Amino acid sequence: EIVLTQSPATLFLSPGERVTLSCRTSQNIYNNLGWYQQKPGQAPRLLMYETFNRATGISDRFSGSGSGTDYTLTISSLDPEDFAVYYCQQRHEWPITFGQGTRLEIK
Amino acid sequence: QVQLVESGGGVVQPGRSLRLSCAASGFNFPDFGMHWVRQAPGKGLEWVAVSAYDGIGTHYGDSVRGRFTVSRDNSKNLLYLEMNTLRLEDTAVYFCTKERTPRVATSNDAWGQGILVTV
Repeated sequence: EIVLTQSPATLFLSPGERVTLSCRTSQNIYNNLGWYQQKPGQAPRLLMYETFNRATGISDRFSGSGSGTDYTLTISSLDPEDFAVYYCQQRHEWPITFGQGTRLEIK
Repeated sequence: QVQLVESGGGVVQPGRSLRLSCAASGFNFPDFGMHWVRQAPGKGLEWVAVSAYDGIGTHYGDSVRGRFTVSRDNSKNLLYLEMNTLRLEDTAVYFCTKERTPRVATSNDAWGQGILVTV
């Protein structure tokens, strides 16, 4: 199976800061990567699909990039509601796999 | 609006079976692939299984293959997960989730609230 490695595990940031989250895959997934946000006690929410595309209703503060085995999610200016856990997910082949998550915490 | 409501969770002894259901509404269920994703307490997301829109194509995560079976009833807008030979490590919140695009596998754009299974 394809292994996804997210870094860092935790980030301490302040509202208004810019942040870039990393997701590295164990093999080329040809941009078949999505990002999800999860807040405590809630279901995950789709942010980005196929690397670059924002899901319906997602703020343009979120952007995705990458290719091959290296992908990033950037939040241009952190809003207090953005502090959550972020997961990447590969959809290139079965079984689908997730990264272990990056937690954004308020400094 | 899209709604996914899981049911059937609870406490079960190791080695026993349990069946989860997911009732879907607000979209044309027969057109969309449907997944189960789980999350152990305090842990990350783990993909479990998918049923293609027609119910014919299915795939499973390595940890559940051979023990779990995903199925659907397109006439009733229901998705199921039959879980056999349950293990302690199957304890998790199980989410039902929908593909974003009809008949194409790309991403999961709607999720249920989740149902807890405790083994």
